[in-house]
Amino acid sequence: NAGVTQTPKFQVLKTGQSMTLQCAQDMNHEYMSWYRQDPGMGLRLIHYSVGAGITDQGEVPNGYNVSRSTTEDFPLRLLSAAPSQTSVYFCASSYSRRGEDTQYFGPGTRLTVL
Amino acid sequence: SQQGEEDPQALSIQEGENATMNCSYKTSINNLQWYRQNSGRGLVHLILIRSNEREKHSGRLRVTLDTSKKSSSLLITASRAADTASYFCATDESNYQLIWGAGTKLIIKP
Repeated sequence: NAGVTQTPKFQVLKTGQSMTLQCAQDMNHEYMSWYRQDPGMGLRLIHYSVGAGITDQGEVPNGYNVSRSTTEDFPLRLLSAAPSQTSVYFCASSYSRRGEDTQYFGPGTRLTVL
Repeated sequence: SQQGEEDPQALSIQEGENATMNCSYKTSINNLQWYRQNSGRGLVHLILIRSNEREKHSGRLRVTLDTSKKSSSLLITASRAADTASYFCATDESNYQLIWGAGTKLIIKP
């Protein structure tokens, strides 16, 4: 059981470039989410999905797109990278979106935008 | 909108001592969770406490919840070097989204 996996672990982009952060889980969880973590701040929700084919915006969705074609995969796309998107990105999954469900996190992707 | 606020931001104690960190929130909640994050890693769930519970234990962890003060505390007893990490609280709002605090960085000195 790999849990939640993320690739790549590190990435450096130039302003204006696009890229996709990959996330996969093998726990058959319905709920998946993307967060960004910036120094001195808590995790901020970017996008989330309650099941295949269903996605919605979180607190800070601008500049990011997501899709959920399968239960397992939930990629995050940066459309045109900006220095403000320099951050550590975490993918998480849980059985459902209920507040009592344990969130399982991937190891993170550290992104630098120059 | 950030709801959970941890206090202190950083805490440095000797191995074997107890560590206490606090989380305050602004609106009513159904559940509050605590997570640990080791340096360079993802977050790991520690414990959940429901709004109708006042105290919960798990091994060396003790969590309390005071809904009248909108606050929770996490106590780690007999700290170990491996407890060095950042600790985050997360609360749920009525729309089921978890709101995370900025975390407490705990350093255990040998």
